[in-house]
Amino acid sequence: EVQLLESGGGLVQPGGSLRLSCAASGFTFSSYAMTWVRQAPGKGLEWVSYISDSGGLTYSADSVKGRFTISRDNSENTLYLQMNSLRAEDTAVYYCAKNYLRGRNFFDYWGQGTLVTVSS
Amino acid sequence: AIQLTQSPSSLSASVGDRVTITCRASQGISSALAWYQQKPGKVPNLLIYDASSLESGVPSRFSGSGSGTDFTLTISSLQPEDFATYYCQQFNSYPITFGGGTKVEIQ
Repeated sequence: EVQLLESGGGLVQPGGSLRLSCAASGFTFSSYAMTWVRQAPGKGLEWVSYISDSGGLTYSADSVKGRFTISRDNSENTLYLQMNSLRAEDTAVYYCAKNYLRGRNFFDYWGQGTLVTVSS
Repeated sequence: AIQLTQSPSSLSASVGDRVTITCRASQGISSALAWYQQKPGKVPNLLIYDASSLESGVPSRFSGSGSGTDFTLTISSLQPEDFATYYCQQFNSYPITFGGGTKVEIQ
């Protein structure tokens, strides 16, 4: 059974940093690209960042470029999102999601999400 | 970035109704479109990919169609468990984008 378990969310002041983790199990993690998607309270889904199966290729939304860094440790089956210079508008539930197949960038499994609140 | 416009943003329907949701892309995306269902407090669930392929385990009352810029999600006979918000997502190019969502409510 595929499982994705996010952690690391919480309350942080504007300008602060957080690192989110997503522990994966139930599939060959190193064979799949992974993605972070966020959802602000009461709002829709927003794609945040993508990383290829090897970790050698990444993409990020303009809204987070230069502030957020996606990475992965295939030996530990874990996905990360380092978030710096956080802003109030980054407040959201952050989901990690498994990409369907190589080159097929939609998402067949999602974690339960971790809430990030940026507030003073 | 490719913009996806969903319509309507919300609708009220009754059990047994046929429901159609539209997603329009700001430029052609071939068939690189997926649909998700999200119930309150739950994670999104993949329904349709490649515009018309039904994800394994999804009831056959859900169907998708379209290519290029215009796409539809149809629920042939609405069931109580289908009341939720539905999102389209394009994966033709980065940045990946989602539609604004369509909330399906009980009439």
